[in-house]
Amino acid sequence: GNSVTQMEGPVTLSEEAFLTINCTYTATGYPSLFWYVQYPGEGLQLLLKATKADDKGSNKGFEATYRKETTSFHLEKGSVQVSDSAVYFCALFSGTASKLTFGTGTRLQVTL
Amino acid sequence: NAGVTQTPKFRVLKTGQSMTLLCAQDMNHEYMYWYRQDPGMGLRLIHYSVGEGTTAKGEVPDGYNVSRLKKQNFLLGLESAAPSQTSVYFCASSYGSELEQYFGPGTRLTVT
Repeated sequence: GNSVTQMEGPVTLSEEAFLTINCTYTATGYPSLFWYVQYPGEGLQLLLKATKADDKGSNKGFEATYRKETTSFHLEKGSVQVSDSAVYFCALFSGTASKLTFGTGTRLQVTL
Repeated sequence: NAGVTQTPKFRVLKTGQSMTLLCAQDMNHEYMYWYRQDPGMGLRLIHYSVGEGTTAKGEVPDGYNVSRLKKQNFLLGLESAAPSQTSVYFCASSYGSELEQYFGPGTRLTVT
């Protein structure tokens, strides 16, 4: 079946540091890939997505590139802010399963 | 435009009690979903609906029932609560199965 593997957290960074959160997946067919973010006390919201190989999703300074050869969709940001502190979820949608499959989430803590 | 709302925000139940969680969306979405979020396990799909009057099982449906009598509402019921159902429950909706899901703020349920 489909699965998403994310790096264990928490990830603790100083403000303006470079961020990478790793995400790899296993899926049948050609899934769409997503990053969702959950701020404290809130529901998840879509951060970015990519629907086919080599696509790059980007939003709010975050980027992720759909790498089919390595089955990865790593999230990056060049300079994190305290306001980026949240839990980040990688997810995939596969038409064969017709549902989103989420990773376990990675908590990011950014300090001054 | 409130998006996706959930009622209640918090609830404590004793084992064996029943309750209903209400989800409402004002975006005219066809698809609605109920997830549970547990530490280290990400989000798992309980039940979903592809339109008014329809429901389907997700990956962890046991112990839950749902109804979608109106397009804008999706109810999740626990007939006889168990401590294993202690979790945070999220409702989401979308225009289509492969499209962005919009999440509610969550309901924190504790079963003692």
